[in-house]
Amino acid sequence: GNSVTQMEGPVTLSEEAFLTINCTYTATGYPSLFWYVQYPGEGLQLLLKATKADDKGSNKGFEATYRKETTSFHLEKGSVQVSDSAVYFCAFNLKAAGNKLTFGGGTRVLVKP
Amino acid sequence: DAGITQSPRHKVTETGTPVTLRCHQTENHRYMYWYRQDPGHGLRLIHYSYGVKDTDKGEVSDGYSVSRSKTEDFLLTLESATSSQTSVYFCAISEDRGGEQYFGPGTRLTVT
Repeated sequence: GNSVTQMEGPVTLSEEAFLTINCTYTATGYPSLFWYVQYPGEGLQLLLKATKADDKGSNKGFEATYRKETTSFHLEKGSVQVSDSAVYFCAFNLKAAGNKLTFGGGTRVLVKP
Repeated sequence: DAGITQSPRHKVTETGTPVTLRCHQTENHRYMYWYRQDPGHGLRLIHYSYGVKDTDKGEVSDGYSVSRSKTEDFLLTLESATSSQTSVYFCAISEDRGGEQYFGPGTRLTVT
């Protein structure tokens, strides 16, 4: 069935370190891919997206590239800040499945000063 | 930010009581969704709607019902709340199929 696998956290980093969160998906068809971020006590916010193979989504210094051959959508940021501490969710949807999002379990990131 | 509100934001209720959560949007988006968020499970889809009076089940729909009588409102009802339904509930909206979804602030429900 359709699923998303992302690395379990927590991931603890120092400020200005490089962040990578791995995400792979299993989907029947050609999904659109998303990263959402959830700050403490808040709802989910769309961070970036990619809708077709080799597309790169980017926002706020974060990037992720849609890799169809490896069914992956890894999130990266070159220099994290304390304000990037949050839970990050990888997700996809399929038009054929009624635009229902399938989420990974989330990765908690803690950035220390 | 997308205009999505959820009410109530927090609720404590007893096992066996009915509970209704409301999602209200001002974006006139066609699609609306209810998810629950639990540790270790990410978000899981409960029900969704693709138009007024048009709804369908998600992956964890048992024990929940929904209604959508107007474009802007999507109600989630727990007919008889159980402790396993203690969770944070998020509403989301989407303008079209395949597009991104925008989430509300969430409702924290505790069933004692």
